[in-house]
Amino acid sequence: GENVEQHPSTLSVQEGDSAVIKCTYSDSASNYFPWYKQELGKRPQLIIDIRSNVGEKKDQRIAVTLNKTAKHFSLHITETQPEDSAVYFCAASRTDKLIFGTGTRLQVFP
Amino acid sequence: NAGVTQTPKFQVLKTGQSMTLQCAQDMNHEYMSWYRQDPGMGLRLIHYSVGAGITDQGEVPNGYNVSRSTTEDFPLRLLSAAPSQTSVYFCASLQAGGPYEQYFGPGTRLTVT
Repeated sequence: GENVEQHPSTLSVQEGDSAVIKCTYSDSASNYFPWYKQELGKRPQLIIDIRSNVGEKKDQRIAVTLNKTAKHFSLHITETQPEDSAVYFCAASRTDKLIFGTGTRLQVFP
Repeated sequence: NAGVTQTPKFQVLKTGQSMTLQCAQDMNHEYMSWYRQDPGMGLRLIHYSVGAGITDQGEVPNGYNVSRSTTEDFPLRLLSAAPSQTSVYFCASLQAGGPYEQYFGPGTRLTVT
């Protein structure tokens, strides 16, 4: 089955700096790669996603890149703000069964 | 729309007790899933369903049962609770055929003593 690895497990950045989180997946048939943000005590919320026929997608300060050959994808957050502090999860699926990475705790210091 | 709802929000069980975590969605989504979230372990898939009458196992199915008699409801049953099942449980749903955003319920925090 699918296995998703996520790094780093914790990431601390200064406000205004960029943050990058990386994930690898094992199932070459996976075709959907979402990223979720989870604030303390709340449910995960989708922030951006990418399908396997696209190499890069951007939404304001966040972007996701996908390398199908290497089976890895990354989340890029530019101009980080304190409100970006949260746990971020990557995931991979063939659209019905979503498998998550173990999460990255991002702390943005003012 | 209420989206995905879960009850109860909090539950404390003694070892060996049974209970059912309820999940319902009003978006007519075909796919529904149950996840458990433990510190440092991310969200792990317990069971999922691609439609009424169809269920399948996820990554960590042992100790849990599910059924899907209607499109709206997807209850998760713990037959004999164990301390290892102490966790936060999330139910989620998504629409078959896209868009593939998975909508999560608010979660149930379960403690087994």
